[in-house]
Amino acid sequence: KAGVTQTPRYLIKTRGQQVTLSCSPISGHRSVSWYQQTPGQGLQFLFEYFSETQRNKGNFPGRFSGRQFSNSRSEMNVSTLELGDSALYLCASSLAGQVYDTQYFGPGTRLTVL
Amino acid sequence: AQSVTQLDSHVSVSEGTPVLLRCNYSSSYSPSLFWYVQHPNKGLQLLLKYTSAATLVKGINGFEAEFKKSETSFHLTKPSAHMSDAAEYFCVVSLRRGGSQGNLIFGKGTKLSVKP
Repeated sequence: KAGVTQTPRYLIKTRGQQVTLSCSPISGHRSVSWYQQTPGQGLQFLFEYFSETQRNKGNFPGRFSGRQFSNSRSEMNVSTLELGDSALYLCASSLAGQVYDTQYFGPGTRLTVL
Repeated sequence: AQSVTQLDSHVSVSEGTPVLLRCNYSSSYSPSLFWYVQHPNKGLQLLLKYTSAATLVKGINGFEAEFKKSETSFHLTKPSAHMSDAAEYFCVVSLRRGGSQGNLIFGKGTKLSVKP
């Protein structure tokens, strides 16, 4: 069974631009969560989607948004990029997104904002 | 409020010696607790999870953790370290019993180095 894939793996943008990251979950998984990982703040939850609906949202500004498609693939978008948005963005999929479900993480997208 | 503290940012052990990675949590009830591992340039992988069943939880690759409510701890141990165990380890606590994964809080991580 293929794992969680994220594209692109690396991205370099400049301040003010916007970016879209993609995540393909494991086949059959309906929940996709997104996390931001930085050396200073560690891993922080961005949002979770289940059956095309955002079910939970972390404490991030509205510049961060996402969506999920009918095939469970998910995208996240960051508009008006800031230097502080440089991070590793991880997505994770699970069967139903319940806290007891095992989350399977992708390798991440490394975003650098110049 | 719920929180999780990993007491060591970096732990170094020799191959073949025991591993102890410490985690304390703060919760107003008996939480769900997890340990994840992240190898360089890889995503996170679940090592083990505690969900109010047995207090000693066995995970993959020989790791185990013991839930101690009186000490609010969930330390990760392994009897004998391998070179392949070198990675970063995250202790995770749920914000509330049950519910969705948006309620998870990750610790800051402990980097484990293994010397030959």
